Amino acid sequence: NAGVTQTPKFQVLKTGQSMTLQCAQDMNHNSMYWYRQDPGMGLRLIYYSASEGTTDKGEVPNGYNVSRLNKREFSLRLESAAPSQTSVYFCASSGAGGTGELFFGEGSRLTVL
Amino acid sequence: GQQVMQIPQYQHVQEGEDFTTYCNSSTTLSNIQWYKQRPGGHPVFLIQLVKSGEVKKQKRLTFQFGEAKKNSSLHITATQTTDVGTYFCAGQGSGYALNFGKGTSLLVTP
Repeated sequence: NAGVTQTPKFQVLKTGQSMTLQCAQDMNHNSMYWYRQDPGMGLRLIYYSASEGTTDKGEVPNGYNVSRLNKREFSLRLESAAPSQTSVYFCASSGAGGTGELFFGEGSRLTVL
Repeated sequence: GQQVMQIPQYQHVQEGEDFTTYCNSSTTLSNIQWYKQRPGGHPVFLIQLVKSGEVKKQKRLTFQFGEAKKNSSLHITATQTTDVGTYFCAGQGSGYALNFGKGTSLLVTP
């Protein structure tokens, strides 16, 4: 039972570099989410996709783009990384629209120097 | 926009003591969820509350949803070292996605 799989688990970037975080779920869920977690800040929503073909901004979307490639996959792209984007990123999925339990991936720890 | 406030930010207890974390929303919630995150891990769903005044129990954990659906609490009776972690509430208002509180980090010493 893979659940939600994120890659990479760790990444170090230099300021201005770009990268894409990949997320895939095998639970046939419609909704997928990207959160970032910073010390003392809890989990903040970056973008979400309520269903295949749709994406919407969350609380902190600036500096990020997303792609819902298909029902399984939802990627997060940093076009020009900044030190303020140093964080732990979590992908999550939900099968019950926006009202159900979130299943989280194990997280991707990103450091921007 | 909707804000979910959670207190306390940290709690340090001796094993066997009780623990409570509180969650308050600025707006009425349609439902509230609770998650636990172990150190170095990812958030794991504990429970969802939907009805006004709802109380649910999971072994030593008791969850409550306020009558006005603006507040919630998680109470752990007789804490154990396995309860260590950060507990998050997450509320859903009129919008699509959940809004997480900042969490309460629980440390239990034997």
